[in-house]
Amino acid sequence: EPEVTQTPSHQVTQMGQEVILRCVPISNHLYFYWYRQILGQKVEFLVSFYNNEISEKSEIFDDQFSVERPDGSNFTLKIRSTKLEDSAMYFCAGRGVQETQYFGPGTRLLVL
Amino acid sequence: DAKTTQPPSMDCAEGRAANLPCNHSTISGNEYVYWYRQIHSQGPQYIIHGLKNNETNEMASLIITEDRKSSTLILPHATLRDTAVYYCIVRVTLIQGAQKLVFGQGTRLTINP
Repeated sequence: EPEVTQTPSHQVTQMGQEVILRCVPISNHLYFYWYRQILGQKVEFLVSFYNNEISEKSEIFDDQFSVERPDGSNFTLKIRSTKLEDSAMYFCAGRGVQETQYFGPGTRLLVL
Repeated sequence: DAKTTQPPSMDCAEGRAANLPCNHSTISGNEYVYWYRQIHSQGPQYIIHGLKNNETNEMASLIITEDRKSSTLILPHATLRDTAVYYCIVRVTLIQGAQKLVFGQGTRLTINP
């Protein structure tokens, strides 16, 4: 059964550095999402992406965040200048024409 | 966004049915109810969803009340591996058919041997 994959599984970075989190969605997926979960807190929606553009973003998704699908398979989340409060699990999700979103295993980001 | 209310925690004995309730009294007529679970800090795992009819799949059953203001997820024969946080979510449809899932705190289900 195809799965959403994410790399890296863990990332440690210094405050102010740029990070890129990568996701490989299931091949027939059309809609792509990023969510995050700060330790001990709820899973929070960040952004949805369809037809090579953002269709919705949350208040968390400010100018420091960007997403792209550079080669038609990978889906990336970039944080330009990381802050301590960006430390969290980041989950990629995707769906096809069916209604269900399928999540990846997540990337644990730690900003020091 | 339609809000859901779940008990923060529940216990169930291994082999018994686990019944997880959820209230979603502000749900709109075309909004689906989704259930996901999260084991430790893994990615949320899809379980089941429904609109107004009861649904069953290989993992669970979903019972939705006639007025759609509440639902119950049933794990018919719970195992230790079913220990997880279970989320009841009302899916929000965005423009161009995109969606977002608004997670609450969920119910922490512990299956006891």
